[in-house]
Amino acid sequence: DSGVTQTPKHLITATGQRVTLRCSPRSGDLSVYWYQQSLDQGLQFLIQYYNGEERAKGNILERFSAQQFPDLHSELNLSSLELGDSALYFCASSPQSLGHYNEQFFGPGTRLTVL
Amino acid sequence: AQSVTQLDSQVPVFEEAPVELRCNYSSSVSVYLFWYVQYPNQGLQLLLKYLSGSTLVKGINGFEAEFNKSQTSFHLRKPSVHISDTAEYFCAVSDFQGAQKLVFGQGTRLTINP
Repeated sequence: DSGVTQTPKHLITATGQRVTLRCSPRSGDLSVYWYQQSLDQGLQFLIQYYNGEERAKGNILERFSAQQFPDLHSELNLSSLELGDSALYFCASSPQSLGHYNEQFFGPGTRLTVL
Repeated sequence: AQSVTQLDSQVPVFEEAPVELRCNYSSSVSVYLFWYVQYPNQGLQLLLKYLSGSTLVKGINGFEAEFNKSQTSFHLRKPSVHISDTAEYFCAVSDFQGAQKLVFGQGTRLTINP
């Protein structure tokens, strides 16, 4: 158990809908990363938040957005869903000490199926 | 920009045989190097990492990897595999500074046959 929790575990929805994935980082970790794992694209970085602020952006679609709240949990919002958005979405957290290596601890993931 | 290439998408081996999973990377800056394992229906677990120093790094479950800067490789090895090693293995790199986001290879599915 990494200490990172993600809800829900599974999500089945229809095209055009909007969903919210939730991530609670390990206690004390300020940084949250979101990754997408799909058959087409493999594992790719989407976005990172640090202490409530967006820090880095990867291959995240405009239909997707994220935020990190004052209690440090994060939500990834996916809208106007398409079949190709079906994937496993991982959240990872790290302490993010500047100038040092920061291990990322991964949650169990949310499996999204778009029908 | 960085990229990671895992040279084998699938590797079948017999139990107790040695295995090597190959990884090459490309980067214009120095990077950290990692191997992660994903067991069926589970999240990612860090197997081992290279940050600096000795080029041979040892990880969990008897795995080790060797960093070769001239060949930009970071191959993963285990001298004797077990059925329980059946999983998907991902090689990854990250920057020293900044976001330290992980860039992953496409993964290698290791299947252990009895």
